[in-house]
Amino acid sequence: EAQVTQNPRYLITVTGKKLTVTCSQNMNHEYMSWYRQDPGLGLRQIYYSMNVEATDKGDVPEGYKVSRKEKRNFPLILESPSPNQTSLYFCASSSRTGGGTGELFFGEGSRLTVL
Amino acid sequence: GQQVMQIPQYQHVQEGEDFTTYCNSSTTLSNIQWYKQRPGGHPVFLIQLVKSGEVKKQKRLTFQFGEAKKNSSLHITATQTTDVGTYFCAGPPGGFKTIFGAGTRLFVKA
Repeated sequence: EAQVTQNPRYLITVTGKKLTVTCSQNMNHEYMSWYRQDPGLGLRQIYYSMNVEATDKGDVPEGYKVSRKEKRNFPLILESPSPNQTSLYFCASSSRTGGGTGELFFGEGSRLTVL
Repeated sequence: GQQVMQIPQYQHVQEGEDFTTYCNSSTTLSNIQWYKQRPGGHPVFLIQLVKSGEVKKQKRLTFQFGEAKKNSSLHITATQTTDVGTYFCAGPPGGFKTIFGAGTRLFVKA
């Protein structure tokens, strides 16, 4: 089954404790992206990756890091989480790399709470 | 930076009534996408519009892309309870970024 898998789905952590949210897709997609969703703000793009070893900032990259060492995986790293990073996070992937992203396939989401 | 504004933020309708959500971009879009997110779920792709003035239909859903490629709309005819959720428009300002509207949350009363 074609899918985007995120882990963990739920996490409560404390300020400053490094964490990683993993994202894996089995569709051989070149494009992957991370979004955060906050009430009234919709989905805001954090980082995206056009292919292996090719990443770039979205609109809200501060406080986050990403890496793309393999095509299927695109982890989101919070080196020193703060309460303003409490949010619902979505990973997405797409087969398109030119002229826009094409249809985005989203993971189930990861709800993160930073105390 | 580029913004994508979506209105209304919320819409309550009686089952059987029509519903429309509007999306406006501050800049020209190469294409526009629409997604639906059920409560507690993840966004699911509905459609992509590419051409100026394009109109596409999916059963009771009608999607339009403006002539200037800066606005779009989604119209649902005769809403059903299964239409409940949040509808997002999304457009690439260029390259590989995607800008989402804040979404319109649809409530349908049976």
